[in-house]
Amino acid sequence: DSGVTQTPKHLITATGQRVTLRCSPRSGDLSVYWYQQSLDQGLQFLIQYYNGEERAKGNILERFSAQQFPDLHSELNLSSLELGDSALYFCASSAPLSGGAPDTQYFGPGTRLTVL
Amino acid sequence: AQKVTQAQTEISVVEKEDVTLDCVYETRDTTYYLFWYKQPPSGELVFLIRRNSFDEQNEISGRYSWNFQKSTSSFNFTITASQVVDSAVYFCALSVPWDSGSARQLTFGSGTQLTVLP
Repeated sequence: DSGVTQTPKHLITATGQRVTLRCSPRSGDLSVYWYQQSLDQGLQFLIQYYNGEERAKGNILERFSAQQFPDLHSELNLSSLELGDSALYFCASSAPLSGGAPDTQYFGPGTRLTVL
Repeated sequence: AQKVTQAQTEISVVEKEDVTLDCVYETRDTTYYLFWYKQPPSGELVFLIRRNSFDEQNEISGRYSWNFQKSTSSFNFTITASQVVDSAVYFCALSVPWDSGSARQLTFGSGTQLTVLP
């Protein structure tokens, strides 16, 4: 168990819908990252937050957005869903407040999104 | 930009055989971190090892060992006496640090599917 939690574990929805994926980082970690894993694209970085602020953006579509709240949990919002958005979405955390290696990312179990 | 290449898409071995998973990386940064993650059939990504660019010492952890060679930009992973439970997809990844506080995103290789047959 990495200490990173993600909900829900599975999500099945229809095209055009909007969903929210939730992530709670390891206790004390300040950074949250979102990744998408699909068969054709592999593991792709979407976005990073550090202590509530957006830090970096990767291959994130305009239909997708995220935020990190004061308690450091994060949500990834996916809207106007398309069939191609079906994937495994991972959240990772790193950068503990004290001690540890700030550069090691620990991953949650993922949310498997199926768009029908 | 960073790039990680795992040329072996699939490897199949018989239990107790040794197996080496190859990883080649590209980066212009002088400070960087290399990682290996394991993704078993259950789907989660499990952290195995982190190595920074200034530490070229090889590492051994039980049946696992890692060979980091900056001269060839490689960070290979060897499993000795493989077991069926080692069957998984293994990802090599690279990140470079921000100036302070946190790491930048991981750039992953495409992964190597390892199947260990009984």
